[in-house]
Amino acid sequence: AQTVTQSQPEMSVQEAETVTLSCTYDTSESNYYLFWYKQPPSRQMILVIRQEAYKQQNATENRFSVNFQKAAKSFSLKISDSQLGDTAMYFCAFMLGGSQGNLIFGKGTKLSVKP
Amino acid sequence: GAVVSQHPSWVICKSGTSVKIECRSLDFQATTMFWYRQFPKQSLMLMATSNEGSKATYEQGVEKDKFLINHASLTLSTLTVTSAHPEDSSFYICSALLPPSGITDTQYFGPGTRLTVL
Repeated sequence: AQTVTQSQPEMSVQEAETVTLSCTYDTSESNYYLFWYKQPPSRQMILVIRQEAYKQQNATENRFSVNFQKAAKSFSLKISDSQLGDTAMYFCAFMLGGSQGNLIFGKGTKLSVKP
Repeated sequence: GAVVSQHPSWVICKSGTSVKIECRSLDFQATTMFWYRQFPKQSLMLMATSNEGSKATYEQGVEKDKFLINHASLTLSTLTVTSAHPEDSSFYICSALLPPSGITDTQYFGPGTRLTVL
């Protein structure tokens, strides 16, 4: 069975600084996808970034980038130039390729951006 | 693009009544939708996978007779909580699976429905 672990329940960062959120996963499969979702206080889940396991290049989306280490089964999220609007719960998620799209979520990391 | 709506956003009902929550994909067709439950300060727990035109697949421990799911069209799935009790109070979130685009399937989430059972 696949599992996703987020070892940092809470983190804080100063505005304009950089922060990295950790995520590790466990799977014996080779075809899968990894995601980071953000859940702000409104509780709307928002896709931040996604990574295909077969791609060696790390995904980036503006201020958000990942460090995907396939051998280590690590998928960390780096947020650069943190903004107050980045304050949210961040969930790492795993999906097997060829599945119905079932997502397996980590427990989340609560990020607070301080002015 | 890839917008998912939910209605209602908040509902309060009396114990023993039934509540229906709608989930719509507004700008794409979704053959597969998902229903999650989220308790305060916790992660999302998958309840069931809803496929258009067929019976939903429920996760272990989820009562299919209590949480009725109907996916009657490619843009609408409904979750009915039957004979609701206070322990059913929670935040319910749906998502719709974006069809394969040659890159990856991705779930897009609705804004959630807060259910309070008195």
